[in-house]
Amino acid sequence: SQQGEEDPQALSIQEGENATMNCSYKTSINNLQWYRQNSGRGLVHLILIRSNEREKHSGRLRVTLDTSKKSSSLLITASRAADTASYFCATVLTGANSKLTFGKGITLSVRP
Amino acid sequence: ETGVTQSPTHLIKTRGQQVTLRCSSQSGHNTVSWYQQALGQGPQFIFQYYREEENGRGNFPPRFSGLQFPNYSSELNVNALELDDSALYLCASSLETGGRETQYFGPGTRLLVL
Repeated sequence: SQQGEEDPQALSIQEGENATMNCSYKTSINNLQWYRQNSGRGLVHLILIRSNEREKHSGRLRVTLDTSKKSSSLLITASRAADTASYFCATVLTGANSKLTFGKGITLSVRP
Repeated sequence: ETGVTQSPTHLIKTRGQQVTLRCSSQSGHNTVSWYQQALGQGPQFIFQYYREEENGRGNFPPRFSGLQFPNYSSELNVNALELDDSALYLCASSLETGGRETQYFGPGTRLLVL
């Protein structure tokens, strides 16, 4: 079953614009992670935000977490063509092992 | 590069056959998880191994089995292959289990079952 649900399913923007992707989940979590995947290859870890954190930054990435709304957002600023990829949010549940539960992903296209 | 390697990169099998996929975890990582990703879907958790013991299993039938070796590398075995087993198989390693550590993924093995 899908714990994380991303929104929108697909996003197309111009290079230089910001991209915002959202993720909602259903149960209490230990942490939430965002991954990128290029053309069906392996997943690249972008950022991990813990349940007691509200915001994290990494380079051009900004992630927020609202545990009261069970939602997270990933903001990519000043997008580049190389950011074109699929983006997934994944949750780790409280008290669980390291199992990641992924959503279906968001396809981001950045036009040069 | 994450330091996690998988072999082979691609594989074609026929229905009913058996397959073994391999994963070498990042140095020092004692936890390995396996995921199945069907086309257009997010990865689905198959199982996890921690210090050579199975440490959690997803909703996959018993014909999906695994092993973790003393050097923490791992194998995924699938018996009696079905057409729906066609997918990208990903392994991920982490320093510890418990969910607090980042998981680092390998490039995956793409399996096609004919």
